[in-house]
Amino acid sequence: AQKITQTQPGMFVQEKEAVTLDCTYDTSDQSYGLFWYKQPSSGEMIFLIYQGSYDEQNATEGRYSLNFQKARKSANLVISASQLGDSAMYFCAMREGLWGNNNDMRFGAGTRLTVKP
Amino acid sequence: NAGVTQTPKFQVLKTGQSMTLQCAQDMNHNSMYWYRQDPGMGLRLIYYSASEGTTDKGEVPNGYNVSRLNKREFSLRLESAAPSQTSVYFCAGLRVGKDTQYFGPGTRLTVL
Repeated sequence: AQKITQTQPGMFVQEKEAVTLDCTYDTSDQSYGLFWYKQPSSGEMIFLIYQGSYDEQNATEGRYSLNFQKARKSANLVISASQLGDSAMYFCAMREGLWGNNNDMRFGAGTRLTVKP
Repeated sequence: NAGVTQTPKFQVLKTGQSMTLQCAQDMNHNSMYWYRQDPGMGLRLIYYSASEGTTDKGEVPNGYNVSRLNKREFSLRLESAAPSQTSVYFCAGLRVGKDTQYFGPGTRLTVL
């Protein structure tokens, strides 16, 4: 079974609007971490935001926020006020267990976001 | 402070050739990782090293070996390259107390 599912292969958004990228995950662990990375066309992987399974508040980092719904096992990324530079592939990832006990991290297939001027 | 560096950036091999991908970090990371990314897909973990002197298999270890030479360096070796190993390879590091990985720029490998 897929550990991380990103159901939107491609998304379009108008510049300055907000966009939500979906991510659902599958785990039976109580302790886990959820991550979003951005991969522009240049190819590097850029860390955006992290949410721990025990965190009660949704994570925010500037224009990025993570809509964490634990019961539904979803960790959607919200980008507010989209910019042309946000056009990229976005990957959701999950680490199960605690670092040191289980260092495996699984990635989703990604969503390609295109911001239109 | 270069972060995580990888060499080479590009490489073309013939089937059966061997090579070693190098990764080094200057961010005092304890754990280091090797991933591969195939076209249109997310990253898959090949091997990781939780600390100097230890290595463990990830999701797709077959055809690869690794070596954690010291805290800074973690190399990935292909003993007999196959076309199925054509991919982009990323190295990453993790610092204890910081719950995220920082990636190198990647190595684009083509096996003919």
